[in-house]
Amino acid sequence: SAVISQKPSRDICQRGTSLTIQCQVDSQVTMMFWYRQQPGQSLTLIATANQGSEATYESGFVIDKFPISRPNLTFSTLTVSNMSPEDSSIYLCSVGGVAEAFFGQGTRLTVV
Amino acid sequence: GEDVEQSLFLSVREGDSSVINCTYTDSSSTYLYWYKQEPGAGLQLLTYIFSNMDMKQDQRLTVLLNKKDKHLSLRIADTQTGDSAIYFCAESMGYGGSQGNLIFGKGTKLSVKP
Repeated sequence: SAVISQKPSRDICQRGTSLTIQCQVDSQVTMMFWYRQQPGQSLTLIATANQGSEATYESGFVIDKFPISRPNLTFSTLTVSNMSPEDSSIYLCSVGGVAEAFFGQGTRLTVV
Repeated sequence: GEDVEQSLFLSVREGDSSVINCTYTDSSSTYLYWYKQEPGAGLQLLTYIFSNMDMKQDQRLTVLLNKKDKHLSLRIADTQTGDSAIYFCAESMGYGGSQGNLIFGKGTKLSVKP
C-alpha cells in the first residue's frame, strides 16, 4: 500500500486568496489524482497529474482556478486560486496501483 | 454516463450484519471499491473486487458483485459501534494501468446502535 501525506490538514482562508496543498507519496507513482469533497457530498475528480506533462482536468474544473504541479514521481501540489466560500471543501490526493486506489487524509479548507 | 447509486442511510444493532448496496452503470468498470470515512477523516480503503469476480471475503467483510445487474454489496458481519461511518462505493475504469480515476457514490451513513 502507499502512504500519502497531505499538508496542510486544514486551513481557514480569506476570500480572494490562494492556498497551495501539498501531497507527498512514499513511493514513485506515475499518476496522482486530486479530488474535491464538498460538505455532505461525495468525491469528485478534479484532475489527473502526470509527471512531466500538464494535468488533465475534468469537466467543470479549469487550470486557472486549480493549477497543479507535478515536479517528480512522489510529489504534487494543487492550488485553489482566488477562493470564494463555495470552495470550502475537503481536497484529497490519491494514487492508484494496479488494483488499489489510496487516498491521503485530505485538506479541510474553509473560506470566509 | 457514469453513475453510482447508494442508499443514504442504514441503521443496525450491534452484533447484527450490515449490508450496504450499490448500483453502477458503466459495464466497462475494471475494479469496484468500498471506502470507509469516519467523521473528520480521509478515506480508508476497505476492500476492492475485480470486475470478473463474484465474491470476495476479507475477515468480517464480504463483497458480492452481480455484474449482470451491475450491483455491488458490502456485508459487514458482527457489526460493531466502531463500524459507524460513511461507506462509499466507487468504480474505476482504470487509466493507463493505474486505478485512480474513480466514480463515487454519495455514500451510505451506517449507524450502529448498542
